[in-house]
Amino acid sequence: AQSVAQPEDQVNVAEGNPLTVKCTYSVSGNPYLFWYVQYPNRGLQFLLKYITGDNLVKGSYGFEAEFNKSQTSFHLKKPSALVSDSALYFCAVRDFGSRTSGTYKYIFGTGTRLKVLA
Amino acid sequence: EPEVTQTPSHQVTQMGQEVILRCVPISNHLYFYWYRQILGQKVEFLVSFYNNEISEKSEIFDDQFSVERPDGSNFTLKIRSTKLEDSAMYFCASTALDSSGNTIYFGEGSWLTVV
Repeated sequence: AQSVAQPEDQVNVAEGNPLTVKCTYSVSGNPYLFWYVQYPNRGLQFLLKYITGDNLVKGSYGFEAEFNKSQTSFHLKKPSALVSDSALYFCAVRDFGSRTSGTYKYIFGTGTRLKVLA
Repeated sequence: EPEVTQTPSHQVTQMGQEVILRCVPISNHLYFYWYRQILGQKVEFLVSFYNNEISEKSEIFDDQFSVERPDGSNFTLKIRSTKLEDSAMYFCASTALDSSGNTIYFGEGSWLTVV
């Protein structure tokens, strides 16, 4: 089964500094990878995804992620953090679901809380 | 921008009572999901639904849970007899599973508190 791991429960970064939120994956075949952000008491908002093509994927709010096949990683990055980026970030992978119906399910990491300090 | 909508946003219920959580997926989506999140922690898969039937369900989705698409618009999650440990945020999600890369979109969630 496909899986993702987020090794850090929390990441602290000063405002204006670059940020990285780590994600590693374990898949058979080509991975479909996603990043979502969750603000307090809200749903999960889609940030970006990697399906194929360029290893550097750009997404919403200035975020980007780099797909690295040799390291099986898909780290989320932003060149200059804002206090408003403070939230819970989830990495996800599309897993094979029901082979009879051809559907899929999405497996989420345990989440990383990003705290941007003013 | 189209979105997944969920109702109620918050429900408090007595243990043993039945609860129905409602969702309206994005209109051209065909694949629907329920996920659960306890206390802002990990997001757990409950069930996927396609073509009016369950595609896959997790161990959490036991006989107390059921899903339905009663009218071609709503997608509901029913918990027949709630337990304290069912207290969680429940998220509905949908995707088109097309060539756009299968992004899954989530609603804002229904916060269920069982007392």
